[in-house]
Order: sequence, then C-alpha cells, then structure tokens
Amino acid sequence: QSALTQPASVSGSPGQSITISCTGTSSDVGGYNYVSWYQQHPGKAPKLMIYDVSNRPSGVSNRFSGSKSGNTASLTISGLQAEDEADYYCSSYTSSSTPVFGGGTKLTVL
Amino acid sequence: QITLKESGPTLVKPTQTLTLTCTFSGFSLSTSGVGVGWIRQPPGKALEWLALIYWNDDKRYSPSLKSRLTITKDTSKNQVVLTMTNMDPVDTATYYCAHMADYLPGYWGQGTLVTVSS
Repeated sequence: QSALTQPASVSGSPGQSITISCTGTSSDVGGYNYVSWYQQHPGKAPKLMIYDVSNRPSGVSNRFSGSKSGNTASLTISGLQAEDEADYYCSSYTSSSTPVFGGGTKLTVL
Repeated sequence: QITLKESGPTLVKPTQTLTLTCTFSGFSLSTSGVGVGWIRQPPGKALEWLALIYWNDDKRYSPSLKSRLTITKDTSKNQVVLTMTNMDPVDTATYYCAHMADYLPGYWGQGTLVTVSS
C-alpha cells in the first residue's frame, strides 16, 4: 500500500482559510468514509482532529472541517490562528483492512 | 477517559529484537469493535503504521514489515505487546500505540523514542 499524497507545505495568514488535500485511490480514500486527520505539534503525539471524513471529536474547534470528493479528502482550517501551526497528517482505511497515512503537511502561519 | 502509554527500551543494538508494551485504560480489548494499533515516526519524518490487533484477536501488519512484527494482547492486563526482530538503525523512531476508532487511530499514547545503535 502506498502512502496517501499530501502537499509538503501550506501557509496562510492569521484569519485566512487554508485547505490541505489528501489523495489516495479507490482502494482507500475513495472506497470508504473512514478518513481521519491529525495535528502534530513538535515533540508531541498526534491529535485526532477529524474522523469519518467530516466528524469532529468533542473539544476540537469548529474552525476545522473535513470533506471528501472521489479519491481526495480535504482538511480546511478557517480563521487561521498562530496555534494552528503544526504538521497535519491524513489517514484512511484501506481494502487490506489496514490504515495508511499521508506523508504529512507542514502548516505555517505567516 | 482513554489513556495509553508505551514502555520499553530506549536503546537497542542492531540485530536485536525490540519489545514494546502498550498499557491502556478507559476501554477494554474484550469489547466488540475495539482495537489497538502501533505507529512509528522516524525523526523528522512521517507517520508509518505498523500493526494492529482487534478485540477478536484479528491481527493486521504493515506488508513491508510483516516478517519482522508480532502483535499480541493480554486483555486481563490491558496491555498490547509489539515485537520487532532484527532491528536496524533505520528503525530509530518514536513508537506510538493508539486506540483504534473506526479502523483508524483515535487516542494516542505519548510515544517512546527507540534508538538503534551499537
């Protein structure tokens, strides 16, 4: 199974919105509504931000939203804040009944 | 409240076998649908899924590492153990265990850094 494809980096100014894409195949992202997004600050464990494509766990800001179209899932962060600067990873269930991760995206808040 | 914590050696020598233990609370691995997975992250690199085990003892492994990995559970102790044989310096990474929610990691442990060096 190949890693999901994410842009290496994205950036935005405070208050703006950004979108991070996560592209897979019909055997993973396109085939199931099991896509999660994780935020990871330096030296910290990943934190679940979105699950099942578009659901937010309790306590996660509604500035974070997820969607999917075909083989590509997306994470959108609106009203960008300095604290959002982190690495973001997507993950998807696959036809092998196993997870696969994306290569990660570094978000810089300008 | 779900918590997980990884434990094991911080330094192993090349060719040795690594044994990591994930001790968790707040859920039971005897409950239908529940799973625990292992994920690693080399310094400065991306997350890599390694293995997972479900409440019914169904086990899944990363195809690229399958020959080196074994995952087991001890439901009575709330523990999941991962062994990785023939360790190499490229296996140096932070190793995480996680509660699996809808087949994907939900709650994560804090991680444990394992360095492979002679």
